Amino acid sequence: QKEVEQDPGPLSVPEGAIVSLNCTYSNSAFQYFMWYRQYSRKGPELLMYTYSSGNKEDGRFTAQVDKSSKYISLFIRDSQPSDSATYLCAIGAAGNKLTFGGGTRVLVKP
Amino acid sequence: DTGVSQDPRHKITKRGQNVTFRCDPISEHNRLYWYRQTLGQGPEFLTYFQNEAQLEKSRLLSDRFSAERPKGSFSTLEIQRTEQGDSAMYLCASSEGAAKNIQYFGAGTRLSVL
Repeated sequence: QKEVEQDPGPLSVPEGAIVSLNCTYSNSAFQYFMWYRQYSRKGPELLMYTYSSGNKEDGRFTAQVDKSSKYISLFIRDSQPSDSATYLCAIGAAGNKLTFGGGTRVLVKP
Repeated sequence: DTGVSQDPRHKITKRGQNVTFRCDPISEHNRLYWYRQTLGQGPEFLTYFQNEAQLEKSRLLSDRFSAERPKGSFSTLEIQRTEQGDSAMYLCASSEGAAKNIQYFGAGTRLSVL
């Protein structure tokens, strides 16, 4: 079993819909939870960063962490075609390596 | 540009050749990380540095791989006697230090071994 599990998709939604992404993880020592967006043949771009449990909102993006269930989510409101990309969850401990999910490919259709 | 910089962006080599990649982290970031990403997968950790000290190496980092960060600034990743299985995107990231684990990535170096 992988340390971080993520549905590979693709997840196809119409423009304006809410995109819902999630990951599960197994290591309870993880403290930092991140979401990255990656366009084809580009490096990962940091979208959201959360420490410990709770919600965090930034514009159209909302990240949720439930440490008791070892479950993290990312919601994208009012999705745009430019949101079409692969979304990677990444989890880590202080100052250490990140463990990534396999990524979910998202397609937002105009 | 104050982001993480990687060079070259793309490297094509023949099997058996040596290759070297360079990463320049964000200024004053004392932690530097290397990851490898194959098609359809998430990045996998290879190694990381705190200043010039290499603190951890993954079992993915075989004897043919070596990384350095001689002055605690830029880093190089060398692959000797490349194999077709080494074809991947090599990503570099940097972070402020031990207290914060917010890692910022470069654009990556895509290696193609023929």
